[in-house]
Amino acid sequence: DTGVSQDPRHKITKRGQNVTFRCDPISEHNRLYWYRQTLGQGPEFLTYFQNEAQLEKSRLLSDRFSAERPKGSFSTLEIQRTEQGDSAMYLCASSPRGGSGTSEQYFGPGTRLTVT
Amino acid sequence: AQSVSQHNHHVILSEAASLELGCNYSYGGTVNLFWYVQYPGQHLQLLLKYFSGDPLVKGIKGFEAEFIKSKFSFNLRKPSVQWSDTAEYFCAVINQAGTALIFGKGTTLSVSS
Repeated sequence: DTGVSQDPRHKITKRGQNVTFRCDPISEHNRLYWYRQTLGQGPEFLTYFQNEAQLEKSRLLSDRFSAERPKGSFSTLEIQRTEQGDSAMYLCASSPRGGSGTSEQYFGPGTRLTVT
Repeated sequence: AQSVSQHNHHVILSEAASLELGCNYSYGGTVNLFWYVQYPGQHLQLLLKYFSGDPLVKGIKGFEAEFIKSKFSFNLRKPSVQWSDTAEYFCAVINQAGTALIFGKGTTLSVSS
């Protein structure tokens, strides 16, 4: 199966530590998205890449969060100085080249972050 | 700002019952609408999508949804649910820039056999 993969699947960290998550999109997809999902809520958009360019960032993405997609393939999401409020499922999605808004986004399994 | 409302937080049905999950969106312009499903322990999967054309959209596993522009609604339906339909269902709309999905809070469907 060549779907979207994410690593790690689970991460437990202590408050104040830095964490980094990785997302590998479907190989021919040039668009990549990060979302965050907390209990009882739908996924909330964090940021969007087209190839290696980060084209949109949500106001949810505070200055402790940074995302990169250096070669237009995999992406990393780093959270610095984690807080308990950062505990959530972090989802990555990708979509193929196509008309704006008309491409299905394919989601990965997510990374569940727990900040203690 | 665009938003999506899902009216039912938790729906409990018996097998063979009919299902309708409500979804309303706020944006009045051209909309691209989606229903995603998340089965227990699995990732989000697309059930169906509406971009234009026939407002009655058919998806996988016998699901369908009807886009009613005048009501800003995109309700999901299935005539006869199965135990395997137990899952969380999310309605979503693409944002105006076409870059991000805006999701509702989701509806948990529990089907008893």
